Amino acid sequence: EVQLVESGGGLVQPGGSLRLSCAASGFTFSSYWMSWVRQAPGKGLEWLANIKEDGSEKYYVDSVKGRFTISRDNAQNSLYLQMITLRAEDTAIYYCATDSWGPAHWGQGALVIVSS
Amino acid sequence: QSALTQPPSASGSPGQSVTISCTGTSSDVGGYKYVSWYQQHPGKAPKRMIYEVSKRPSGVPDRFSGSKSGNTASLTVSGLQAEDEADYYCCSYAGSNIFVFGTGTKVTVL
Repeated sequence: EVQLVESGGGLVQPGGSLRLSCAASGFTFSSYWMSWVRQAPGKGLEWLANIKEDGSEKYYVDSVKGRFTISRDNAQNSLYLQMITLRAEDTAIYYCATDSWGPAHWGQGALVIVSS
Repeated sequence: QSALTQPPSASGSPGQSVTISCTGTSSDVGGYKYVSWYQQHPGKAPKRMIYEVSKRPSGVPDRFSGSKSGNTASLTVSGLQAEDEADYYCCSYAGSNIFVFGTGTKVTVL
């Protein structure tokens, strides 16, 4: 059974940084593209980024380019999202997901609150 | 990278059908066969219900079906059940390895 567990969320001040992790199990992690999606409180879903199986290709939505970095460690079956220069509008639940021409299996999400 | 357009709400009585539209452009919905649909219950993670326009993942009831015509994709839920009450989102490939979600539709079972 595919399992994805996000961690690393929390309260951070505007301008601060945070690194989210996603632990994968139940499938061959190194064989799948992976993605991050977020959902602001009471709002819709926003696709953020994805990364190729071997980490050699990464793609981002314009709104986070230059501030967010997706990465992975296939030896640790883990996906990461490094976020810098955080803004209030980055407050959201962040989901990791397997990517099969769109998000497929999803984790339960990690809440990030950007506030002073 | 503008969000795809969905109606804010849709409703139907138990046993009836409801269809949700997802309108994009020739650069996303109209240009590729990679449209997926997600169901999200309050406080829960989204669940993929349809992929590649009309394919159902294993375990998804055949009451859920997808289609596409031009720049508009659609999700139909037939034989509505109480547990189908949820938010639904479409998602389309938009080229250059980028994806875009729809604005979301709240489905109410009357």
